[in-house]
Amino acid sequence: RKEVEQDPGPFNVPEGATVAFNCTYSNSASQSFFWYRQDCRKEPKLLMSVYSSGNEDGRFTAQLNRASQYISLLIRDSKLSDSATYLCVVNMAGSARQLTFGSGTQLTVLP
Amino acid sequence: NAGVTQTPKFRVLKTGQSMTLLCAQDMNHEYMYWYRQDPGMGLRLIHYSVGEGTTAKGEVPDGYNVSRLKKQNFLLGLESAAPSQTSVYFCASSYPSGRAATGELFFGEGSRLTVL
Repeated sequence: RKEVEQDPGPFNVPEGATVAFNCTYSNSASQSFFWYRQDCRKEPKLLMSVYSSGNEDGRFTAQLNRASQYISLLIRDSKLSDSATYLCVVNMAGSARQLTFGSGTQLTVLP
Repeated sequence: NAGVTQTPKFRVLKTGQSMTLLCAQDMNHEYMYWYRQDPGMGLRLIHYSVGEGTTAKGEVPDGYNVSRLKKQNFLLGLESAAPSQTSVYFCASSYPSGRAATGELFFGEGSRLTVL
């Protein structure tokens, strides 16, 4: 089992739709969680951190469920510019300086 | 703002050749990393460094060597390239933290390596 698993997609949604991605992680002692965004043939960039209480940044909402060991990302009112691959990233317990990346979920927002 | 700069951006090698990828950051970050990204595999950590003069193995270190002689530079070497090392290589750097990585890695634009 991979340490961090994501549905690879692709998710194809119309503009204005709401879309959600889930990510599961295997180590129950994992400490920190993040979502990164990667545009085609570009480098990954931090989208947002995921806090235990959940957090929101504009149209983006991240949730953490420690009991079920999953993280979610909700995108409301999708824009064409949201088309990208979304990477779930977990800081595994005992690896204070290392982050484990999921393989990514591809999103295409259609006009 | 240069941020993290990788050179070269593209390279084609023959099996058995050697090469070095250079990563330079101008943000005074303590931590630096080399990842490789392959389709369906996500980013996998090759080696990392928590400061000048230090290096450590990541998830997939075999076939690679690294050096961090200066704080701002992190070199990744392939001594004898193999087709399995065809990949996109990303360098990243981050701030240190008292307890755990903050999670924000700053990546270079990537280096596309093909080994024939």
